[in-house]
Amino acid sequence: SYGLTQPPSVSVSPGQAASIACSGNKLGDKYTSWYQQKPGQSPILVIYQDNKRPSGIPERFSGSNSGNTATLTISGTQAMDEADYYCQAWDSSVVFGGGTKLTVL
Amino acid sequence: QLQLQESGPGLVKPSETLSLTCTVSGGSISSNNYYWAWIRQPPGKGLEWIGSIYYSGSTYYNPSLQSRLTISVDTSKMQFSLRLSSVTAADTALYYCARLYSRSWSFDPWGQGTLVTVSS
Repeated sequence: SYGLTQPPSVSVSPGQAASIACSGNKLGDKYTSWYQQKPGQSPILVIYQDNKRPSGIPERFSGSNSGNTATLTISGTQAMDEADYYCQAWDSSVVFGGGTKLTVL
Repeated sequence: QLQLQESGPGLVKPSETLSLTCTVSGGSISSNNYYWAWIRQPPGKGLEWIGSIYYSGSTYYNPSLQSRLTISVDTSKMQFSLRLSSVTAADTALYYCARLYSRSWSFDPWGQGTLVTVSS
């Protein structure tokens, strides 16, 4: 079955850029979405269709997808961005990555 | 704006059937290009897609759960439902409902989630 791999954790200093990778076989051929989940809250969609931001999502969130890797980038990371982030794609069924805990130090 | 709300028992005994309902408000459950989905998250773990249904009744199920799973829709009540049979402790999780956009296969919005514990 298809799998998506994310690093368990990423750390970033406030104001710096954070990048979270998501890898899967020929992932660049599929649409990737990204979700942010803060403790005790439901996930929210921050990127869909590889690089589109839903209404209300800050411009500092961006995405890319090519080859076997999709990447979520948060530019000018803020303390409020500290959360778990999940990538997700469709390959005959829905697949989620294992999640990455972003720590803003 | 569109809102989803899960409801159902918070405690289910092993070997019994877990049943949850998601009520949709602020929009139509019969919209084209949108599926309605169930996703779960065991405590402290990641997200797992359970399955999805179109307003017509067409379904997609997670292959690992398919043999125990039934998802149905009642458009007149603006609800869709989940039934998972023969549950074990491994089915203990926070269960979310969400809308799935079929053109990008993305979930938005999500319900607040409901915790279901499988225990005797």
